Amino acid sequence: AQSVTQLDSQVPVFEEAPVELRCNYSSSVSVYLFWYVQYPNQGLQLLLKYLSGSTLVKGINGFEAEFNKSQTSFHLRKPSVHISDTAEYFCAVTPNNNDMRFGAGTRLTVKP
Amino acid sequence: SAVISQKPSRDICQRGTSLTIQCQVDSQVTMMFWYRQQPGQSLTLIATANQGSEATYESGFVIDKFPISRPNLTFSTLTVSNMSPEDSSIYLCSVEGQSKTEAFFGQGTRLTVV
Repeated sequence: AQSVTQLDSQVPVFEEAPVELRCNYSSSVSVYLFWYVQYPNQGLQLLLKYLSGSTLVKGINGFEAEFNKSQTSFHLRKPSVHISDTAEYFCAVTPNNNDMRFGAGTRLTVKP
Repeated sequence: SAVISQKPSRDICQRGTSLTIQCQVDSQVTMMFWYRQQPGQSLTLIATANQGSEATYESGFVIDKFPISRPNLTFSTLTVSNMSPEDSSIYLCSVEGQSKTEAFFGQGTRLTVV
């Protein structure tokens, strides 16, 4: 079975600062990796995904993530955050998209 | 991408009653899923809604408590039966994308049981 660990439950940062949200996973098989964002009172929106190929994945809203197989990590980064990036971010893993496992989530708060 | 509509968006219900949540997709999809997101927590898969057969439930979830219907490839319902305050959560419908490499989510139904 797969599992996901998001190491930080809350990340406060100032506007225009860089941010990294950490995600580690465990799996005995190859997996797909995802980052989703959940704005207040809304559903989940896909930020980016890693399926195969280049380990650096670029997503929407200026976010990117790097897949590191040796460290079983898929950390999410943004070089300069905006107030509007304040949201809950979920890392997820699945071997086949039928059994998607989510991390506990990281609440990113961007302060002016 | 798929556009998913969930109804109701929120509800406050009395304990002991049942609520049926509807999920409508704008295109035919093979796989539909129901998740629960308890307050301040991550998503937990309740079940996979199978068209033409009984839903497949995850450990800890049973059909008597969470009956699911899937009459066609664009629609599903989840019923939360005999509700208690512990059922207060956000319930989310999800579908597999056509590329089969991502999942799309509805806006969720915020349920409060009093």
